[in-house]
Amino acid sequence: KAGVTQTPRYLIKTRGQQVTLSCSPISGHRSVSWYQQTPGQGLQFLFEYFSETQRNKGNFPGRFSGRQFSNSRSEMNVSTLELGDSALYLCASSLGTSGGSSYTDTQYFGPGTRLTVL
Amino acid sequence: GENVEQHPSTLSVQEGDSAVIKCTYSDSASNYFPWYKQELGKRPQLIIDIRSNVGEKKDQRIAVTLNKTAKHFSLHITETQPEDSAVYFCAAMNDMRFGAGTRLTVKP
Repeated sequence: KAGVTQTPRYLIKTRGQQVTLSCSPISGHRSVSWYQQTPGQGLQFLFEYFSETQRNKGNFPGRFSGRQFSNSRSEMNVSTLELGDSALYLCASSLGTSGGSSYTDTQYFGPGTRLTVL
Repeated sequence: GENVEQHPSTLSVQEGDSAVIKCTYSDSASNYFPWYKQELGKRPQLIIDIRSNVGEKKDQRIAVTLNKTAKHFSLHITETQPEDSAVYFCAAMNDMRFGAGTRLTVKP
């Protein structure tokens, strides 16, 4: 099976712009989670989508949003970019058989999108 | 929110020695604890995981132990090799919380 893919791999934006990142999960996986990775903060959970619905959400401002399509592909959008949004954005897919307060699925990560905000 | 604390943040060992990384969590409802290895410039890769119905799991040179009462779990790597050098992340997946990572360096 092909692994998790993310596009684009690299992105440079300026403050105030918005950006959309895309993630294609492993075939058969119905859950997609998004993470922000920065050197100082490690892996921070943004949100999880399952069956086109946001099932879980981390502590990020409303500028960060996402959606999932019927084929399980997911997009993440960041509006009004700030310098502090510069990071590696990783998505991870899983079967989605568990969720909410009993998450026990194995997640497989994509290669990430490196976003630089100038 | 709930946290996962990971220690140490950096670890340097001699090739052939053992390495131990420890994590503590606060959400007692967590049932699944994976460990990921991330090499420089690459994606995190799952190396081992444990679920709350077992106390220990081993896969060749890697083992993970879980103490649900104390809410901590540990990664043990024996007979370390230079290719084990990477950043290791633990997670308590009930609320998708990851530890801050441990940078392991294995000196040849």
